[in-house]
Amino acid sequence: DTEVTQTPKHLVMGMTNKKSLKCEQHMGHRAMYWYKQKAKKPPELMFVYSYEKLSINESVPSRFSPECPNSSLLNLHLHALQPEDSALYLCASSPAPAAATNEKLFFGSGTQLSVL
Amino acid sequence: RKEVEQDPGPFNVPEGATVAFNCTYSNSASQSFFWYRQDCRKEPKLLMSVYSSGNEDGRFTAQLNRASQYISLLIRDSKLSDSATYLCVVTGGGNKLTFGTGTQLKVEL
Repeated sequence: DTEVTQTPKHLVMGMTNKKSLKCEQHMGHRAMYWYKQKAKKPPELMFVYSYEKLSINESVPSRFSPECPNSSLLNLHLHALQPEDSALYLCASSPAPAAATNEKLFFGSGTQLSVL
Repeated sequence: RKEVEQDPGPFNVPEGATVAFNCTYSNSASQSFFWYRQDCRKEPKLLMSVYSSGNEDGRFTAQLNRASQYISLLIRDSKLSDSATYLCVVTGGGNKLTFGTGTQLKVEL
């Protein structure tokens, strides 16, 4: 099993809604990531969890709130988003923190988010 | 200067052609280098890691030039299925992986 599973695949929400994106991996990976990707742009790092602890927050607005309940799960809680937050949100995992150990990233298929 | 730079393309090449992409990076302390491939509306997938001695995987060859701070990807005998965006990924500042803007390749009949 080499998959990173993300749900939902598509999400439409209003600016007053609260929603959550979910990510799951069962490869025993100890580092998990959230990336944001706009059309025709590269993925931008948002958060890194290393051994279930938040290790990197790329100055992401507080309307995005990550959570790592256990080593297999990563959530991204969304509240009061803006239309410019519409993007593809990608979850990734690696056996250990990738940048420190030359590990590759395994990406989920993403959640396409539209904020109205 | 951006941390990781790539020519966005598109590179339009005929089937069977050889095509090469370069990617420059600004952090001389970078240690990890990768090429990822991303199809339209799909997630990035690792194509190959890039090692100091250079490495080859079938039709794909990756090279690292530390002195000039760039990595390259050579694709021989291009196939239609090679059409995608190729993302260069490098260890950046703060020990993070940084993605380049990507190079779009279109292989045509």
